[in-house]
Amino acid sequence: DQQVKQNSPSLSVQEGRISILNCDYTNSMFDYFLWYKKYPAEGPTFLISISSIKDKNEDGRFTVFLNKSAKHLSLHIVPSQPGDSAVYFCAASSGGSNYKLTFGKGTLLTVNP
Amino acid sequence: DTGVSQNPRHKITKRGQNVTFRCDPISEHNRLYWYRQTLGQGPEFLTYFQNEAQLEKSRLLSDRFSAERPKGSFSTLEIQRTEQGDSAMYLCASSQDRPYGYTFGSGTRLTVV
Repeated sequence: DQQVKQNSPSLSVQEGRISILNCDYTNSMFDYFLWYKKYPAEGPTFLISISSIKDKNEDGRFTVFLNKSAKHLSLHIVPSQPGDSAVYFCAASSGGSNYKLTFGKGTLLTVNP
Repeated sequence: DTGVSQNPRHKITKRGQNVTFRCDPISEHNRLYWYRQTLGQGPEFLTYFQNEAQLEKSRLLSDRFSAERPKGSFSTLEIQRTEQGDSAMYLCASSQDRPYGYTFGSGTRLTVV
């Protein structure tokens, strides 16, 4: 069963506009959420995270929103830049000392100049 | 410190052969993880080391797979009697003793023919 779901395989946005990537989860035990960015032939790169005790975390152009009641989180990128074009993975952890992550399938973001 | 290093980057092997991959984590990181990523999927957790101790293994890790981290430094992942279903990207990640946001390597892409 897919505990972390990214239902949009791809998203295309114009440069300068906002990109919104969505993620849903089913496991109520998840208490920490992360977004990773991946370019072809490279490993995932950590982007931003949020604890379940918060509903928003911001870092520069990137903001993650968490709606615990809906089991939904989103990543906002504003303004979007062509260099943001990559696959974005949502990931979650249920605590414990191992910090194991469960990933979604990813969303391919294309930012057009 | 050049990040997490994985070797080889690519490996093509015939079905039934054994393969071994190596991961060199960031030197001060005591936690090391192996994940596997297949086409169209997000990374899936395989196993986790804290220093030299292997503390958790996924049920994805069949008895043909073995991982070691001697002396808590580099790690190896061996697959015996490879099958076509083992074809995937094998990702290694490391972190210090803090939650999440690990650093991934670029991965080893295995193709079993």
